Amino acid sequence: AQRVTQPEKLLSVFKGAPVELKCNYSYSGSPELFWYVQYSRQRLQLLLRHISRESIKGFTADLNKGETSFHLKKPFAQEEDSAMYYCAPHNAGNNRKLIWGLGTSLAVNP
Amino acid sequence: EAGVAQSPRYKIIEKRQSVAFWCNPISGHATLYWYQQILGQGPKLLIQFQNNGVVDDSQLPKDRFSAERLKGVDSTLKIQPAKLEDSAVYLCASSFGQGITGELFFGEGSRLTVL
Repeated sequence: AQRVTQPEKLLSVFKGAPVELKCNYSYSGSPELFWYVQYSRQRLQLLLRHISRESIKGFTADLNKGETSFHLKKPFAQEEDSAMYYCAPHNAGNNRKLIWGLGTSLAVNP
Repeated sequence: EAGVAQSPRYKIIEKRQSVAFWCNPISGHATLYWYQQILGQGPKLLIQFQNNGVVDDSQLPKDRFSAERLKGVDSTLKIQPAKLEDSAVYLCASSFGQGITGELFFGEGSRLTVL
């Protein structure tokens, strides 16, 4: 079965510390992977996607097919990064849909 | 450009009552999704429309939930009768194609409390 796991429900770090939000997936085929973010009192929105190989707000995520992981990383966390983060593989097959993880709540403390 | 609009933002009802939520997607977006997000969980897809046709409703509890997108634009999601476990935020999202790029644009959500 297609599944995504975000093992940490809550991650708390200090400002300036490195942060890594873990995501592991179990998927057949070649999924596309995405990270979505929801800041306090804002809409759920796309943060980044693995095919773009981009850095958004200092965050990067590398797809590791061997470990079936797509961890989200930032070298120096900022207070404004505090939010709920969801890893979501996207099935690139005929019935395209996102499978959502339970999410990790990131708290960046001053 | 205007984002995905949802109403009402908040609704409190008693169990066995009915409720309806409305969503207007971004103009030109063919695909519309309804998600249920229970506190502490990720979004769960209830139904996906491509224009006015249903693409996926495998997780929609069809004995009490219904949804329609008659003209391929806005959509309504109805719950009748509501149960306590239906308390959740109902998110509407839209995408340009059939989610090809994976980018979904979300509304602010409708928070339902069933007493």
